Amino acid sequence: KNEVEQSPQNLTAQEGEFITINCSYSVGISALHWLQQHPGGGIVSLFMLSSGKKKHGRLIATINIQEKHSSLHITASHPRDSAVYICAGAASGSRLTFGEGTQLTVNP
Amino acid sequence: EPEVTQTPSHQVTQMGQEVILRCVPISNHLYFYWYRQILGQKVEFLVSFYNNEISEKSEIFDDQFSVERPDGSNFTLKIRSTKLEDSAMYFCASTRGQSNYGYTFGSGTRLTVV
Repeated sequence: KNEVEQSPQNLTAQEGEFITINCSYSVGISALHWLQQHPGGGIVSLFMLSSGKKKHGRLIATINIQEKHSSLHITASHPRDSAVYICAGAASGSRLTFGEGTQLTVNP
Repeated sequence: EPEVTQTPSHQVTQMGQEVILRCVPISNHLYFYWYRQILGQKVEFLVSFYNNEISEKSEIFDDQFSVERPDGSNFTLKIRSTKLEDSAMYFCASTRGQSNYGYTFGSGTRLTVV
């Protein structure tokens, strides 16, 4: 059974702090997605990783295939980064298995 | 930037009624999905659709659920006889291919069954 576990569940930071959210996944998952969900509920895709590292603006995502672990980093965090961040794994088909999400709150 | 469009954004229905949730995926995407998120819970896979047929479905997707792509653009999820526990946010998504392609999600339909 494909599984994805995230930590922490909740994270509160001060504006400007460096933030890391972690995700571990099970054997069988070949690609890892990082998603952002805003209070209104909509989901936005941030990254899709099968190896290495990707960067977009202040967001960086890394994946270690041997350890089955991925991290999402936010540099110079800002209150507008407050959202739920979700990692989701894709197995040999294309369905995604979602983690529980990390509620991030960045205070000014 | 291309979007996945879902309608309606919010639907309230009485228990036992049929509902149809609509989605317009991105035009050059080939794989289409429905996911749902019950309030306070994680997102769950319902069904995937490729080449005009269901390619995979979860145990949630029982006989009360059906999907259709009637006209080559719209992708619909029908719930035949809604139950209270069907209340959730339903997300449509599409991708160009399997596994190593990014997803585009719609903004969701919040279904409330009363």
